[in-house]
Amino acid sequence: KQEVTQIPAALSVPEGENLVLNCSFTDSAIYNLQWFRQDPGKGLTSLLLIQSSQREQTSGRLNASLDKSSGRSTLYIAASQPGDSATYLCAAQTGANNLFFGTGTRLTVIP
Amino acid sequence: GAVVSQHPSRVICKSGTSVKIECRSLDFQATTMFWYRQFPKQSLMLMATSNEGSKATYEQGVEKDKFLINHASLTLSTLTVTSAHPEDSSFYICSAGGQRMITDTQYFGPGTRLTVL
Repeated sequence: KQEVTQIPAALSVPEGENLVLNCSFTDSAIYNLQWFRQDPGKGLTSLLLIQSSQREQTSGRLNASLDKSSGRSTLYIAASQPGDSATYLCAAQTGANNLFFGTGTRLTVIP
Repeated sequence: GAVVSQHPSRVICKSGTSVKIECRSLDFQATTMFWYRQFPKQSLMLMATSNEGSKATYEQGVEKDKFLINHASLTLSTLTVTSAHPEDSSFYICSAGGQRMITDTQYFGPGTRLTVL
């Protein structure tokens, strides 16, 4: 069964800093890897989706990379802002239905 | 992007009662909808997958008689928690997928916070 791990569990950075969130998965036979944002008590917002054949995806200040062979993905956030404070979840999709989620990294950007 | 709504956003009920949660895809037809549960400080765990017009597929350890799922149309799926108990208190999130499940992302609803007293 796919297991997804995210490190660190929590991270605090001063505003303006660049940061990297890590995600690892045990089964490299994935269709895609997604990064989501979750605000407290809210649902999920999809940030980036990387297909298994891709190496990275970019959206604004966000860049996600995927190394399938090593079972790793990273989410890079440039020039962090207080509004980026949230929990970031990665999820590996295996099969047509299954999204396996990590436990998330709770990010706090200090003004 | 596609919009998925959930209703209610928050519900408090007494132990032993049943609670129904609705999940709607507002601007697309969702052949498949998913129900997740999220306990505090834990990640989302898939409970069941529902396909329009057929019975839901439940994940191991999820009681199908307790968590009734109905997916009667391409835009609506419901989750009924029957005879709720305090341990059922959780954040329930649905998601909806389009036709191309492998390449399409799932679109998530805003979640429903269930508190059972």
